[in-house]
Amino acid sequence: QKEVEQNSGPLSVPEGAIASLNCTYSDRGSQSFFWYRQYSGKSPELIMSIYSNGDKEDGRFTAQLNKASQYVSLLIRDSQPSDSATYLCAVKPYGGATNKLIFGTGTLLAVQP
Amino acid sequence: GAVVSQHPSRVICKSGTSVKIECRSLDFQATTMFWYRQFPKQSLMLMATSNEGSKATYEQGVEKDKFLINHASLTLSTLTVTSAHPEDSSFYICSPSLTGRQTQYFGPGTRLLVL
Repeated sequence: QKEVEQNSGPLSVPEGAIASLNCTYSDRGSQSFFWYRQYSGKSPELIMSIYSNGDKEDGRFTAQLNKASQYVSLLIRDSQPSDSATYLCAVKPYGGATNKLIFGTGTLLAVQP
Repeated sequence: GAVVSQHPSRVICKSGTSVKIECRSLDFQATTMFWYRQFPKQSLMLMATSNEGSKATYEQGVEKDKFLINHASLTLSTLTVTSAHPEDSSFYICSPSLTGRQTQYFGPGTRLLVL
């Protein structure tokens, strides 16, 4: 069983719409959650981090965390064609001496102009 | 965010040769370095974790004698792919980390093509 699961997509949304990206994780004790964006041929770049239940907003991005359901999501408002990329969900499992992250396989988002 | 550099950004080599990839954290001291590999249309795969001044810990299935990691200083780590073969062609990405800092940043990556 995968530790971090994402729908591979592609998720296609029209320009200006809200894109909703979802992620579930298996380690109930996980404390830290991250969303990365990866453009084709480039390395991942951090978009959001979230540590507490609820919503965290940063510009057009909102991360949502529900630890009881082991679910974290990313909402992108007013989606733009430049948002088209693969979005990676990453989770830091409970315990361990390092900051090792477990990554999902990513969801490909395509914003249609 | 953190400033991380990798060199070279792209490398093409013949089968059987060795390739060294450098990763530098330019604005903080990395106590831990993660090395990832990414094949086309796949997610990041952690290869190994190294702490400054000690031997790297390799993930299952990653040959430690083939992928040599050196983390001799807090700002520089190297990954050497020894006797590279076409199946080693991939996108290699480093990720320096500071103990206690939750967020992990990535280098720009090195695309390796072995002919």
